[in-house]
Amino acid sequence: DTAVSQTPKYLVTQMGNDKSIKCEQNLGHDTMYWYKQDSKKFLKIMFSYNNKELIINETVPNRFSPKSPDKAHLNLHINSLELGDSAVYFCASSQDLLYNEQFFGPGTRLTVL
Amino acid sequence: AQKITQTQPGMFVQEKEAVTLDCTYDTSDQSYGLFWYKQPSSGEMIFLIYQGSYDEQNATEGRYSLNFQKARKSANLVISASQLGDSAMYFCAIPLPNSGYALNFGKGTSLLVTP
Repeated sequence: DTAVSQTPKYLVTQMGNDKSIKCEQNLGHDTMYWYKQDSKKFLKIMFSYNNKELIINETVPNRFSPKSPDKAHLNLHINSLELGDSAVYFCASSQDLLYNEQFFGPGTRLTVL
Repeated sequence: AQKITQTQPGMFVQEKEAVTLDCTYDTSDQSYGLFWYKQPSSGEMIFLIYQGSYDEQNATEGRYSLNFQKARKSANLVISASQLGDSAMYFCAIPLPNSGYALNFGKGTSLLVTP
């Protein structure tokens, strides 16, 4: 009965490959997010989706393409992986209200070799 | 541009003592919320406490409380009676404007609780 789940938990791949990270929430929330946490633990928003529509794209390279097939899912596809893409990627969700906590998934640790 | 500042990269506290983690922010929004999250070494992000900018009382959740000073734009987290399990990274965050309430995080404070 995990609220926000991500797969895979770990992803190790070679430079230049294409990979996807899947995210699902069973909370009935309207809004989902992708965050990137770098090696210095700095967390930064990448994308925000509300009811399957993109709200923000925070200057993320277009090699990153989010896809929301329905309100419960927000997947992240990354093309032509680079060394600098190595990070932990967190999916999160919240109700579409200002004063609501965001529920985070467990994170996906991506390592690009 | 909105900015969140956590000036303490690392803090130590002895078990059972109280500790204050600092957070200051700069936002042009009139109405906003402030969040604190904990990230233990296992990596998950755990919501701790929320403060609304128009809330008259400081928020409290168990051993966590917020020292919210709106005029100074600060929202410090106070952890009372520290426990070994409180050792973690702590992040202050505020929603970005026009973002679907995506959170803008500070750089975090690493707290180590010693026996």
